[in-house]
Amino acid sequence: GAVVSQHPSWVICKSGTSVKIECRSLDFQATTMFWYRQFPKQSLMLMATSNEGSKATYEQGVEKDKFLINHASLTLSTLTVTSAHPEDSSFYICSAAPGGSGNQPQHFGDGTRLSIL
Amino acid sequence: GQSLEQPSEVTAVEGAIVQINCTYQTSGFYGLSWYQQHDGGAPTFLSYNALDGLEETGRFSSFLSRSDSYGYLLLQELQMKDSASYFCAVRTTSGTYKYIFGTGTRLKVLA
Repeated sequence: GAVVSQHPSWVICKSGTSVKIECRSLDFQATTMFWYRQFPKQSLMLMATSNEGSKATYEQGVEKDKFLINHASLTLSTLTVTSAHPEDSSFYICSAAPGGSGNQPQHFGDGTRLSIL
Repeated sequence: GQSLEQPSEVTAVEGAIVQINCTYQTSGFYGLSWYQQHDGGAPTFLSYNALDGLEETGRFSSFLSRSDSYGYLLLQELQMKDSASYFCAVRTTSGTYKYIFGTGTRLKVLA
């Protein structure tokens, strides 16, 4: 089955630090990947759609300069939380689906738990 | 706006059958998916409906009625390990495809 790997699984860092999270599709190519954010006991909120070779599409209310997304290859997308602050602490999850048309279900990485002190 | 509504919590006993409903209002619709998420973990895919009707996958079944903007996940022969949060998600067709998630239902299975 389709496997999505996300790294790191846990990050604790000081306020003001920038943090990079990687999302890899291990056994398929993904022209589109998605980044979500989830607070405790809440649903997944789509932050942005990462498109290989082009700019990411951000959801309303998500700061582009705060959450930098790069999708430089068909198997890797990265999310960088710049100058992170305690309010950025959350569970960040990426997903991808085989094929580019969205006909296949998306598969999720294991998530990254980010804690900003 | 776009929204997917689910009951916040459902409780049932082992061996029982439980139905989790999802009503949606989205700008464009391509299909309804269901995901399971245990505490501290990532969502895992359960089922997908693109067309009206019932899809069966082992103990889990999912139903869709596009005319009613409604779907449900049916869990049979409940086991303790089924205690988790369940999310419905709609794949929208507005612009590039993307997925919008429901509010989530926390299922508690009692012995």
